[in-house]
Amino acid sequence: RKEVEQDPGPFNVPEGATVAFNCTYSNSASQSFFWYRQDCRKEPKLLMSVYSSGNEDGRFTAQLNRASQYISLLIRDSKLSDSATYLCVVDRWSSASKIIFGSGTRLSIRP
Amino acid sequence: GAGVSQSPSNKVTEKGKDVELRCDPISGHTALYWYRQSLGQGLEFLIYFQGNSAPDKSGLPSDRFSAERTGGSVSTLTIQRTQQEDSAVYLCASSLAESEQYFGPGTRLTVT
Repeated sequence: RKEVEQDPGPFNVPEGATVAFNCTYSNSASQSFFWYRQDCRKEPKLLMSVYSSGNEDGRFTAQLNRASQYISLLIRDSKLSDSATYLCVVDRWSSASKIIFGSGTRLSIRP
Repeated sequence: GAGVSQSPSNKVTEKGKDVELRCDPISGHTALYWYRQSLGQGLEFLIYFQGNSAPDKSGLPSDRFSAERTGGSVSTLTIQRTQQEDSAVYLCASSLAESEQYFGPGTRLTVT
């Protein structure tokens, strides 16, 4: 089993739709979780951290489910500019390298 | 404030030549990471520095790849005897310990 697994997509949804991605992780000791977005031919940029209690930033909501070992990202009222690849990031608490990136979920918003 | 910078932004080299890629992390960030990304693929972890030491070199694909970091700041990734399969975007990121990473714009390496 991969340490961090994401559905690669692509998700193709109309503008204004709500879309959700899940990401599963294998290390139950992981403590830090993030979502990044990466636009085509650009570097990844931090979208939001994921807290145990869940957190919201505008149209974006992140949730953590420790029992089932997954994190989720919900995007409401999607915009064309939300088209990107979304990367799930989890720490490897017991490892020196600390952080591992998922391979990403591609999202395409159509007009 | 200044973010992570990388140089050169683009590098075209002939097969068999050596290349050096440079990363300037955000000031004060103790952790530094190198990744590479081939077109349409995910991030491939290469090496991680905490200060000047590299506790995890497990991602380096072969002994042609090496990296160093001096003064707890600038890092250089060196690829010797480049091969065509080394063509990719090489990304550097820095962070405070165990926190979110901030990426540089990357160096696009093309080996002809």
